[in-house]
Amino acid sequence: AQSVTQPDIHITVSEGASLELRCNYSYGATPYLFWYVQSPGQGLQLLLKYFSGDTLVQGIKGFEAEFKRSQSSFNLRKPSVHWSDAAEYFCAVGLSSNTGKLIFGQGTTLQVKP
Amino acid sequence: NAGVMQNPRHLVRRRGQEARLRCSPMKGHSHVYWYRQLPEEGLKFMVYLQKENIIDESGMPKERFSAEFPKEGPSILRIQQVVRGDSAAYFCASSRTGTGDNEQFFGPGTRLTVL
Repeated sequence: AQSVTQPDIHITVSEGASLELRCNYSYGATPYLFWYVQSPGQGLQLLLKYFSGDTLVQGIKGFEAEFKRSQSSFNLRKPSVHWSDAAEYFCAVGLSSNTGKLIFGQGTTLQVKP
Repeated sequence: NAGVMQNPRHLVRRRGQEARLRCSPMKGHSHVYWYRQLPEEGLKFMVYLQKENIIDESGMPKERFSAEFPKEGPSILRIQQVVRGDSAAYFCASSRTGTGDNEQFFGPGTRLTVL
């Protein structure tokens, strides 16, 4: 069955430090890949997406992600974290073979130290 | 252009009561998805609807849960005879198309608490 794994449940980084959030997926073909961010008590906001083409994609708020087919990964990165980036981050997969439903990872909570 | 609207934002029910959650998609979107987020977990797909049709309900519990998206008005997720385990955040998302590469826009969610 298709699945998405975010190995890190909680991550703490200092403000100004770099960030990488990991995401691995299990699917027989190339999926459509998404990263969403959720602030406390809020809905989800799309950070970036990958469908095809250049494997390094740029998103909003200075985030980027790289699709690596050989590793079935789609890790999210930011060179310098801001305190306002503290939130929960979800990696999600959309499958080419289905009706558009998204399969989400369990999420990574990012805490930013001053 | 208003985003996806959900109401109520918070809903408290006692065990055995019914819960009705409403979702109005973004203008121009005719595809609606419902997801459930249990505490400390990611979102789990429940059901996908187009106007007047349920397309995929593979994530819906077999009993007590139902969904509709009528020709006019919002999509409704209905939970009958709620139990404590139904306490969760329920998110609605809408999109222009129903394919795997579609971008889904999420509402703020309805947080259901069952006493």
